[in-house]
Amino acid sequence: EAQVTQNPRYLITVTGKKLTVTCSQNMNHEYMSWYRQDPGLGLRQIYYSMNVEVTDKGDVPEGYKVSRKEKRNFPLILESPSPNQTSLYFCASSLRESTHEQYFGPGTRLTVT
Amino acid sequence: KQEVTQIPAALSVPEGENLVLNCSFTDSAIYNLQWFRQDPGKGLTSLLLIQSSQREQTSGRLNASLDKSSGRSTLYIAASQPGDSATYLCAVNDYKLSFGAGTTVTVRA
Repeated sequence: EAQVTQNPRYLITVTGKKLTVTCSQNMNHEYMSWYRQDPGLGLRQIYYSMNVEVTDKGDVPEGYKVSRKEKRNFPLILESPSPNQTSLYFCASSLRESTHEQYFGPGTRLTVT
Repeated sequence: KQEVTQIPAALSVPEGENLVLNCSFTDSAIYNLQWFRQDPGKGLTSLLLIQSSQREQTSGRLNASLDKSSGRSTLYIAASQPGDSATYLCAVNDYKLSFGAGTTVTVRA
């Protein structure tokens, strides 16, 4: 089944403890991105990747890192999480560039205390 | 900067009624527009994608129209069912995806 998967789905952590949220797609998509969704602010893009080894900042990149060493994986790294990073995170992918149909993962609900 | 607005923010209808969800955007230079459905605490499911050259797209009970010149798209859901209760998001793609805040729909049995 063609899909975008994220792990973990739920995570509660403490301020400053490094964490990684994994994202994987099995559709051979070149373009991948990360979003966060917050009440009243909607969905905002954190980082995106046009292809392997090519990443760039979205609208709200502060406090996040990404890497794209393989085409199928695009992990989101929080080196030192803070409470304002408590949010619902989504990974998305599309065939090429951002102009193609976007497919979203199931989301990761992160709580930082 | 693209601004995407969805009105109304919430909608409650009896089962069987047709739903009309509106999306407006400020910059008409777009590649496509995508409608998504989101269930509480869940991911986004793509419903329809309309390319900028298209006027409408249909899938089952869903029909989406696009008027690029006026910066509007409308999602019609025919003969609504309780299972249609969800939040519907429109996303405008001008090489970057910009989302509306969504319309939360409740279909009463």
